[in-house]
Amino acid sequence: AQRVTQPEKLLSVFKGAPVELKCNYSYSGSPELFWYVQYSRQRLQLLLRHISRESIKGFTADLNKGETSFHLKKPFAQEEDSAMYYCAQYRYGKLTFGQGTILTVHP
Amino acid sequence: EPEVTQTPSHQVTQMGQEVILRCVPISNHLYFYWYRQILGQKVEFLVSFYNNEISEKSEIFDDQFSVERPDGSNFTLKIRSTKLEDSAMYFCASRFGLIYNEQFFGPGTRLTVL
Repeated sequence: AQRVTQPEKLLSVFKGAPVELKCNYSYSGSPELFWYVQYSRQRLQLLLRHISRESIKGFTADLNKGETSFHLKKPFAQEEDSAMYYCAQYRYGKLTFGQGTILTVHP
Repeated sequence: EPEVTQTPSHQVTQMGQEVILRCVPISNHLYFYWYRQILGQKVEFLVSFYNNEISEKSEIFDDQFSVERPDGSNFTLKIRSTKLEDSAMYFCASRFGLIYNEQFFGPGTRLTVL
């Protein structure tokens, strides 16, 4: 079965500090991976997809097949980045989500 | 920008009652999904739907659950006889096609079974 692991349930940083949200996946082939974000009282929305290799709101994520990781990074966190972040893998017509990490950025 | 909508936002029901959760996917999308999230747990896949039939379902999606696209716009999830453990947030999602598998999510319906 597919597994997506986000080891940190909670992550707190101060504004301007770097942030890294960890994600590991179980599939050994060529995965299709996403980061979704859920701001307070809002819906899940796509932040990044690995296939596009883009940077959104200063966030980037690099797929590391050797470590089966897809960590989300931002060099300088902002208060508005506070949210729940989900790593997800698409396969067999469905998304498998990690447990999610609540990021809190303190002023 | 078009969005997936869901109604109601909160549904309270008695154990054993039937509930229907409604979703309006984005209009030109072809693939439709239901996910659920029990409080404090991860978002879990329930079912996917394409071309008027179920294409994939999880072990959670047993005979008590059914989905339907009764017209060209609505996509419904029915729970025939609700149990306490069905209490969760239910998310509908849709996606356009095959190239990018980005799924667009609705705001969710909070189901509380008493």
